Amino acid sequence: DTEVTQTPKHLVMGMTNKKSLKCEQHMGHRAMYWYKQKAKKPPELMFVYSYEKLSINESVPSRFSPECPNSSLLNLHLHALQPEDSALYLCASSRISGYTEAFFGQGTRLTVV
Amino acid sequence: ELKVEQNPLFLSMQEGKNYTIYCNYSTTSDRLYWYRQDPGKSLESLFVLLSNGAVKQEGRLMASLDTKARLSTLHITAAVHDLSATYFCAVDINTNAGKSTFGDGTTLTVKP
Repeated sequence: DTEVTQTPKHLVMGMTNKKSLKCEQHMGHRAMYWYKQKAKKPPELMFVYSYEKLSINESVPSRFSPECPNSSLLNLHLHALQPEDSALYLCASSRISGYTEAFFGQGTRLTVV
Repeated sequence: ELKVEQNPLFLSMQEGKNYTIYCNYSTTSDRLYWYRQDPGKSLESLFVLLSNGAVKQEGRLMASLDTKARLSTLHITAAVHDLSATYFCAVDINTNAGKSTFGDGTTLTVKP
């Protein structure tokens, strides 16, 4: 199984809503990531978890709150988002060793209204 | 700060032709990745290049890495329509593969 599964695939939320994005992998990868991608732009790293601990936070606003409940799951909790947060949110995973590519999920297309 | 530059950003080519996409980066690294992204889809790993002089080929695509020049190339041979996509190179300077800095991408359109 070389899949990273993200749910939901599409999400529309109001600026006062609270929602969560979910990501799951069963490849035994101990590094998991959240990326944000705007249209026609490259992915931008948001968070990195290594062995279920947050190791990198790329100065992301607190309205985005990551959580790694176990080695297979990664969540991104969303609260009080702005319209400019609308984007494709990609989850990825990789081995910790560093000499390997990341495997990306299909993404959640988020629209904030 | 690591900068990764790709060129060209847009490439329109006819089927059967050859072309090369370039990826330059600003800081010493020996880990470079090429990904493909179809419109509205996720990223698919194409190549992992881990040493100077590394060359990898898959079908009509061949990637190489010159760490001394800080340059990677993605060569397309006899392009076909199915290769139409956006191609990103990504460079690591840390131990975690996912903390990659991506180039801006090259959008390739292959026309009949």
